[in-house]
Amino acid sequence: QSVLTQPPSVSEAPRQRVTISCSGSSSNIGNNAVNWYQQLPGKAPKLLIYYDDLLPSGVSDRFSGSKSGTSASLAISGLQSEDEADYYCAAWDDSLNGLYVFGTGTKVTVL
Amino acid sequence: QVQLQESGPGLVKPSETLSLTCTVSGGSISSYYWSWIRQPAGKGLEWIGRIYTSGSTNYNPSLKSRVTMSVDTSKNQFSLKLSSVTAADTAVYYCARSSTAGGSNNNWFDPWGQGTLVTVSS
Repeated sequence: QSVLTQPPSVSEAPRQRVTISCSGSSSNIGNNAVNWYQQLPGKAPKLLIYYDDLLPSGVSDRFSGSKSGTSASLAISGLQSEDEADYYCAAWDDSLNGLYVFGTGTKVTVL
Repeated sequence: QVQLQESGPGLVKPSETLSLTCTVSGGSISSYYWSWIRQPAGKGLEWIGRIYTSGSTNYNPSLKSRVTMSVDTSKNQFSLKLSSVTAADTAVYYCARSSTAGGSNNNWFDPWGQGTLVTVSS
């Protein structure tokens, strides 16, 4: 059902940088704020980025978000083993009387 | 620091109604949207719907015919009912606070409850 498309997986060595893409449309990313969530294994999701590029208090500044048109990206710099997790983008979608949609999710592996 | 805790039966029979409650502690439930999100094992996240403390609701169209949400501000709780459940409704169910800015459609979830597994089986 997801209308936000992410790569299934990305991997990189420690201390390197990875980016995760999130592709949507004019009814979601193109018109509403994008959020990113991190889900560690066996845990509840945690807010990582909100309103396209804002960091919640307590979130490392190694994480950053950006948006252009109908796509968004999450970047993780200085990759650490503790960053191994699933990452989801999300946004409100104005179609069908409105609903909140999540991306397909991306598994980040630290080599 | 606001904390959320889901509670309810972990096993529901097919065709029956799933009922969950989320208790909010460390802060007031007032003046926020509150959401339910679920995640089948090994799969992604699905938004079920949200309720404002006034009682106003928005539901995922794919579940709308089976979902009812309510809020009890006196108990700092909000609830989810999902009727006519099938095995496809087996999932971890999360409750979360929805914060908004620049309009109610720009919202994000923080914090989340720890989640509760609900299995639909006879």
